[in-house]
Amino acid sequence: KAGVTQTPRYLIKTRGQQVTLSCSPISGHRSVSWYQQTPGQGLQFLFEYFSETQRNKGNFPGRFSGRQFSNSRSEMNVSTLELGDSALYLCASSSGQDHTGELFFGEGSRLTVL
Amino acid sequence: GENVEQHPSTLSVQEGDSAVIKCTYSDSASNYFPWYKQELGKRPQLIIDIRSNVGEKKDQRIAVTLNKTAKHFSLHITETQPEDSAVYFCAARYNYGQNFVFGPGTRLSVLP
Repeated sequence: KAGVTQTPRYLIKTRGQQVTLSCSPISGHRSVSWYQQTPGQGLQFLFEYFSETQRNKGNFPGRFSGRQFSNSRSEMNVSTLELGDSALYLCASSSGQDHTGELFFGEGSRLTVL
Repeated sequence: GENVEQHPSTLSVQEGDSAVIKCTYSDSASNYFPWYKQELGKRPQLIIDIRSNVGEKKDQRIAVTLNKTAKHFSLHITETQPEDSAVYFCAARYNYGQNFVFGPGTRLSVLP
């Protein structure tokens, strides 16, 4: 079974631009969560999508948005990029239906904002 | 909302020694507590978890203990090996369908 795939793996943007990141979950998984990882801040929860609906949302500004498609693939978008948005963005998929909800992470998309 | 603290932020141990990482959570209703290991340049992976109706769980050299009264849970690694060197994240979840809240992580270095 293929793992969670994220694209692109690396990207460089300048302040004010926007970026779209993509995540393909494990086949059969209906939940996709997005996390921002920065040194010293751990894994900050952005949002979770389940069956094309946003089920949970973290404390990030409205510049961060996401969506999920009918095949469970998800995208997140960051508009009007700021220097502080430089981070590793991880997505994680889970079945979304079991009591533990183990998260299976992708390798991440490393965003650098100049 | 839920808040998870994790200590220490860095930990160095000699190979063969034990390592303990402790996390505290704020929401007494949280009922599921996983631990993830992230090796350098790799994705986080689940290594062990515990539910609120259990006090301790073991899997070979790793164990997790939970104290619901004090609202803290700990990861114990015995007979540490160089391959245990990684960042470890604890997490808590209030309920099925809710998001996980992660601690800030502990960087464990096992010195040969």
